[in-house]
Amino acid sequence: DAGVTQSPTHLIKTRGQQVTLRCSPKSGHDTVSWYQQALGQGPQFIFQYYEEEERQRGNFPDRFSGHQFPNYSSELNVNALLLGDSALYLCASSLVFREPYNEQFFGPGTRLTVL
Amino acid sequence: AQTVTQSQPEMSVQEAETVTLSCTYDTSESDYYLFWYKQPPSRQMILVIRQEAYKQQNATENRFSVNFQKAAKSFSLKISDSQLGDAAMYFCAYRSLTTSGTYKYIFGTGTRLKVLA
Repeated sequence: DAGVTQSPTHLIKTRGQQVTLRCSPKSGHDTVSWYQQALGQGPQFIFQYYEEEERQRGNFPDRFSGHQFPNYSSELNVNALLLGDSALYLCASSLVFREPYNEQFFGPGTRLTVL
Repeated sequence: AQTVTQSQPEMSVQEAETVTLSCTYDTSESDYYLFWYKQPPSRQMILVIRQEAYKQQNATENRFSVNFQKAAKSFSLKISDSQLGDAAMYFCAYRSLTTSGTYKYIFGTGTRLKVLA
């Protein structure tokens, strides 16, 4: 049973560029959440997708956008990159109506470096 | 809004001894879930233990246990018989219900645990 996978593992971009990160959820999961983890910090919630729609958004600018495909995989897009966007980007998947835990399973992350 | 605070940036423990990591949170909800995650250098977040707020009994998973004090909004993690493989960043997390009816996690800033041989 494949867990959550993310690609690429590492990425280096320059300021002003655009980047797309990809995530495949754990088999059977239908909800994908994205988190940004700056160095030495805990993960911060960016947004969440369910049924191909953004369901909830954290305190991130519109430069951060996403998409969910019919197979539940997801993309995170960041436009006009800033140095401060350098971070580990984590994807987490869950099954929305699985109570009581609704446990989120995390991928290994994509390390984005903006120069 | 809910917040999670971890006041210990770094902790050290001798192999085979016991260590306790602290976490406090703030919420107005009465029913919620709390988690401890481990993040080793490989970056993969691994669930260590979970606690349901409506359960008074503290959760236990092998060498890992929690001290959940709901009134004090405290959720500490105790690691017994520490092993070298326990060395990692540990994050405390609160599961928050979103306005859309789904859940998001709110994380603390983490505690780096060093295990000394």
